[in-house]
Parts: sequence; C-alpha cells; structure tokens
Amino acid sequence: AQTVTQSQPEMSVQEAETVTLSCTYDTSENNYYLFWYKQPPSRQMILVIRQEAYKQQNATENRFSVNFQKAAKSFSLKISDSQLGDTAMYFCAFANSGYALNFGKGTSLLVTP
Amino acid sequence: DGGITQSPKYLFRKEGQNVTLSCEQNLNHDAMYWYRQDPGQGLRLIYYSQIVNDFQKGDIAEGYSVSREKKESFPLTVTSAQKNPTAFYLCASSIDLGLAETQYFGPGTRLLVL
Repeated sequence: AQTVTQSQPEMSVQEAETVTLSCTYDTSENNYYLFWYKQPPSRQMILVIRQEAYKQQNATENRFSVNFQKAAKSFSLKISDSQLGDTAMYFCAFANSGYALNFGKGTSLLVTP
Repeated sequence: DGGITQSPKYLFRKEGQNVTLSCEQNLNHDAMYWYRQDPGQGLRLIYYSQIVNDFQKGDIAEGYSVSREKKESFPLTVTSAQKNPTAFYLCASSIDLGLAETQYFGPGTRLLVL
C-alpha cells in the first residue's frame, strides 16, 4: 500500500516570511507523480505544484517550490514571501500505477500579520 | 469559463433516504472521480470513471452508486446502506486516467444527516 505522511498537523508563519511543509511517502514504484494541493476555507482543492519523479530538477511555481529527495522519499513544499491568502490546509498527494491520488492528512497553515 | 460545478453546496439526508450529489464539468475531460473527506483526514476515493458508461469502485465504494451517461456529468448517489454518510464530498476530473494527469476539483458538497 502506498502511504503519504505529513508530520506537521499545524504550522504558522508571519507574513513575508518563508515556511516549509514536510511530506514523506512510501512506494516501491519508480515512476510516479507528486502533488501539493491547497484547500482554503472555501474548501475547494487547488493545485499548487506537481513534480514528476523522473525529473531531478525541483518544480517551482512563483513563490512555491519543492525540495524533492527521491532516495529519501521526501517531497517538501517551500512557500516564500508568505501572504495572508496562503492560509489554508495543504495536502501532499501521490499518484503511481493506481488511478486515485493518495493523500496525506494535511497541514494547516496559518499566516499571521 | 471552464470548470467543475457541484450542487448542492449543502445537503441534508434523513435516515433511510437516498440522496444524489451532482457533478458537472465543461473541461472536456474523459476521467471523473468522487472523493470523500472526513475531518482531519485526507481524501479517499469512492468511484472513478474513465469514459461514458464505464465506472470502477474505489477504496470506499460500499453504500454509494454512480452513473456516467454523459461525458460532462458524474452524479453520486449516497444510499441508505451508507451508515456514516456525514462528510465533505469532492468531485474531480482529469484529461484522462493516466497517472501523469492532474486532477482538478469542484467546490464540494457537504452532506449532513438529520
């Protein structure tokens, strides 16, 4: 079974600071994809960033970047210059040979003024 | 604007009643999914569909049923056999069923039992 672990249930960061959210996963597959989704208070899941396992280069999307360590099975999300609108639940998800996304339990991020 | 719509936003179910959650997409996606989210949990897959008139059970399909009569629509019925239906339900779609395809989500429906 594939598992995704997010070890930080809650985090907080001050506006304009940088924060890193952790995610580890377990798989025996070699070809897979990793995602970070954001769920704001509206509860709609929004894709933040995705990473292909065969690519060594870490994905970036504006203020969001990942640190993908394939050997360690680690996929952390870094948010730079945090904004109040970044306040949300963040879910790490994993897709391989199955058709479902395997989700972690989420990290609740609070950005404070 | 292309996107996924879900209705209603809130739904109340009485004991022994079947209820249907609507999901519509205009993204021209072939694959559609239903997930369930419980407090403090990630999402779990209920059903998915690759094409019209075809769908498969996910990890927690018991007590649920679906249909896929049109490419744009993938309604989910929560039957009376589902003993703990209170949850947040999310519909998603992707271009196809490939693992490389990003899934895009609707705004969700919250189901409560009276």
